[in-house]
Amino acid sequence: AQKVTQAQTEISVVEKEDVTLDCVYETRDTTYYLFWYKQPPSGELVFLIRRNSFDEQNEISGRYSWNFQKSTSSFNFTITASQVVDSAVYFCALSDPAGYNSGGGADGLTFGKGTHLIIQP
Amino acid sequence: DAGITQSPRHKVTETGTPVTLRCHQTENHRYMYWYRQDPGHGLRLIHYSYGVKDTDKGEVSDGYSVSRSKTEDFLLTLESATSSQTSVYFCAIWTSGGEGTDTQYFGPGTRLTVL
Repeated sequence: AQKVTQAQTEISVVEKEDVTLDCVYETRDTTYYLFWYKQPPSGELVFLIRRNSFDEQNEISGRYSWNFQKSTSSFNFTITASQVVDSAVYFCALSDPAGYNSGGGADGLTFGKGTHLIIQP
Repeated sequence: DAGITQSPRHKVTETGTPVTLRCHQTENHRYMYWYRQDPGHGLRLIHYSYGVKDTDKGEVSDGYSVSRSKTEDFLLTLESATSSQTSVYFCAIWTSGGEGTDTQYFGPGTRLTVL
């Protein structure tokens, strides 16, 4: 069975601080995708990044960066110079091999319980 | 924006009544999903579909049924709503086109309250 753990239920930092959101996953599969989503107070789920299990390169997109370490089954997300607009709930998620191998879809994602990030001005 | 709409966006109903939620997509994606989101649980998969008339159960399927008679529509039905089904329901699709584009996108959500 797959599992995603986001141990940090809530994080509060002051604007401009750097913050890292942790994600640890469990799977017996060798091929899978990992995702991060943002859910702002308005409630929609916003896709941030997808990483496949064979690509351990870190990725940077503006103030966002992701560190994928297969050896520790972690896929952590760092926000540099945080801003009030970053306040949201962030979810890490894991797909099954069907999502990677089928070329056509996945049997759903397994989500962590989310980390509520509060950026104080 | 993956062209996903959900209706209704908000609904209040009473225990024991049937409820149907609709998910509509405009981009002909093969895979569609229904999740529910509850405090402290993240999102959990209810049912999914891998084609017209092809559906399967997810982690929390008890009390729910689905139907997909057209590629663009995926319906979630609560045959007899209970207070434990009060939740926010999200529809999702899987975009595919090879490794570079496989991603799951979500609709705006439906907030359902069962009194």
